[in-house]
Amino acid sequence: NAGVTQTPKFRILKIGQSMTLQCAQDMNHNYMYWYRQDPGMGLKLIYYSVGAGITDKGEVPNGYNVSRSTTEDFPLRLELAAPSQTSVYFCASGQGSPHGYEQYFGPGTRLTVT
Amino acid sequence: AQSVTQLGSHVSVSEGALVLLRCNYSSSVPPYLFWYVQYPNQGLQLLLKYTSAATLVKGINGFEAEFKKSETSFHLTKPSAHMSDAAEYFCAVSSGSARQLTFGSGTQLTVLP
Repeated sequence: NAGVTQTPKFRILKIGQSMTLQCAQDMNHNYMYWYRQDPGMGLKLIYYSVGAGITDKGEVPNGYNVSRSTTEDFPLRLELAAPSQTSVYFCASGQGSPHGYEQYFGPGTRLTVT
Repeated sequence: AQSVTQLGSHVSVSEGALVLLRCNYSSSVPPYLFWYVQYPNQGLQLLLKYTSAATLVKGINGFEAEFKKSETSFHLTKPSAHMSDAAEYFCAVSSGSARQLTFGSGTQLTVLP
C-alpha cells in the first residue's frame, strides 16, 4: 500500500512551458485534492474531485487544470507556466463520512518557474 | 466561509518543556478540525482530529488538543517536548461538499536542547 504518490519530486520550468504533475492513490478514496504551499501562507486548495469524472475549482484555480478519468489518478496541468506558480504542490486523498474526513498527503512536488 | 488563525508563526521551547500551539477557527457549522505536522521536505502527516465526539482528542507522538466551542479554539499541546518534535504544524478546518481543508498559515516549532 503506497498511499498517495506524486511525480516528479522536483522540476524547473521556463516561463510559458507546460507540464503535468502526476498524482495517484491506491486506497480507493473517492475524494482527491490539489494544494499549493507557499512560505508563510499555509496550503491553498487549487482543485478537488469527488469521484471519477467530477472536478471543481478550489480557492486558487487560475492557471491550472485537472482531470479525473479514474478513481486512482488525479493529474494537475499547468499550461503556461508563470513565476507566480513557483511553489510546492501537494496531492491528497480522503474518504469523507463516516471515515472521519481526514486527508492523506503525498510527498509533494517542488516546482520552480524561471 | 471557514477560516483558521494560528497565533505565532514561530514557537521555541526547551526540551522537556510544555508545547502549546494555538489555533482559532471560524465556522458557520459544527466544525471538523485537524492538526497536521510537516517535517522538512516531506508531506503532511495527520496528528489528530476532532469530529464532534470527545472534546479532548489524543493523537500520535503524545500530542493532544482540546475543542472549546465557546472560545472557537483547538489548541495543540504536549506535556514534554522532544527534539524530534521540531517541525511545522498546521491547523485545518474541513468544510464543503468534498470536505476540503482550509489551513492556517502554520507554526514552526523549534526545540532547544
